[in-house]
Amino acid sequence: ELKVEQNPLFLSMQEGKNYTIYCNYSTTSDRLYWYRQDPGKSLESLFVLLSNGAVKQEGRLMASLDTKARLSTLHITAAVHDLSATYFCAVDSYSGNTPLVFGKGTRLSVIA
Amino acid sequence: GAVVSQHPSRVICKSGTSVKIECRSLDFQATTMFWYRQFPKQSLMLMATSNEGSKATYEQGVEKDKFLINHASLTLSTLTVTSAHPEDSSFYICSAERTGTDTQYFGPGTRLTVL
Repeated sequence: ELKVEQNPLFLSMQEGKNYTIYCNYSTTSDRLYWYRQDPGKSLESLFVLLSNGAVKQEGRLMASLDTKARLSTLHITAAVHDLSATYFCAVDSYSGNTPLVFGKGTRLSVIA
Repeated sequence: GAVVSQHPSRVICKSGTSVKIECRSLDFQATTMFWYRQFPKQSLMLMATSNEGSKATYEQGVEKDKFLINHASLTLSTLTVTSAHPEDSSFYICSAERTGTDTQYFGPGTRLTVL
């Protein structure tokens, strides 16, 4: 059974600081997703990582994937208040009509 | 492209009534759709996988007779919560997998409140 663990689950950080959210998964996977969720809203897709060593960046967020370590990271650079949200990673175990398995989410609060 | 809609966005109903939630892929075909439930401050939990023209596959612990899923076309799946109770109050999110790909697109969610 595929399990996905995120940490930390809660993160309060000051504006301008850097931090990393970690996503570990338990079995081999060929793709990993990062999503953002604002309160009362659905999921917004941030990144899709498809191969070992993949790195993607959008604004102040950068995601990477190490399939050998079964680890993905979401790095936040110089945080701003607008980044406050809950961030989920999700993993496919293999191609096909496979449901995603979600981590518990990291609730990020960026404070002045 | 790749827009998924859900209707209604919010619904309040009395205990014991049934509620139908629609999930539509607006600009692509989706052989497979997924239904998730999210309780406050928790992650998404997969309820069932809906395949066009066949029976849905339910996750362990999800009552198939209570959560009826119909996927009658390549662009529409419906989830009916039958005899709803307050503990069914939740945020229900669908996703649609574009046919021929492994990419899921999420709907905006439906907030169900059962009084």
